[in-house]
Amino acid sequence: DTGVSQNPRHKITKRGQNVTFRCDPISEHNRLYWYRQTLGQGPEFLTYFQNEAQLEKSRLLSDRFSAERPKGSFSTLEIQRTEQGDSAMYLCASSLEGGREQYFGPGTRLTVT
Amino acid sequence: DAKTTQPNSMESNEEEPVHLPCNHSTISGTDYIHWYRQLPSQGPEYVIHGLTSNVNNRMASLAIAEDRKSSTLILHRATLRDAAVYYCILLLTGNQFYFGTGTSLTVIP
Repeated sequence: DTGVSQNPRHKITKRGQNVTFRCDPISEHNRLYWYRQTLGQGPEFLTYFQNEAQLEKSRLLSDRFSAERPKGSFSTLEIQRTEQGDSAMYLCASSLEGGREQYFGPGTRLTVT
Repeated sequence: DAKTTQPNSMESNEEEPVHLPCNHSTISGTDYIHWYRQLPSQGPEYVIHGLTSNVNNRMASLAIAEDRKSSTLILHRATLRDAAVYYCILLLTGNQFYFGTGTSLTVIP
């Protein structure tokens, strides 16, 4: 069990650029979640997938944010036209369907300059 | 959103028990109560969860009030490695976790 991995761990980008983050869940987990965490706050739910289906995306912060999980394995989160307010830690988690325990990755820290 | 309320911070002496409270007065009958913790520079880590009855595992105990409007996470003997932010979370429909701001636990040697 290698756990949930996220790449890159850190990303610095200029305002207006697009960024993409990758999450590799635990291999047998069919649910995958994305969260955003700003300084001093708890993680904020963004979206989640069951296999390749995106079952909840109403919490994505704006239409600049999108997520995919094309083959039901890894997932990507893309932010288009980044803004300074997008600077945050982006966390990914996975779980079994019906499982109550979500396993979190180490996160990708985004800094928008 | 179903909200939880926790103290911003707490302190405990090492090797003493710690009781971390949480209020969740808007909880519905089917909402599970989860606790996660987040060590510095890491993603959150599962601690324990429960519905109605008190629960124990190797990390902690969870005491749930009879009316389910509050719960308490109990660390039986705090160690320095338990210093973290502890989140009391309700699992909403659609598998959405609402984290809140959590309680920052400081363990004093």
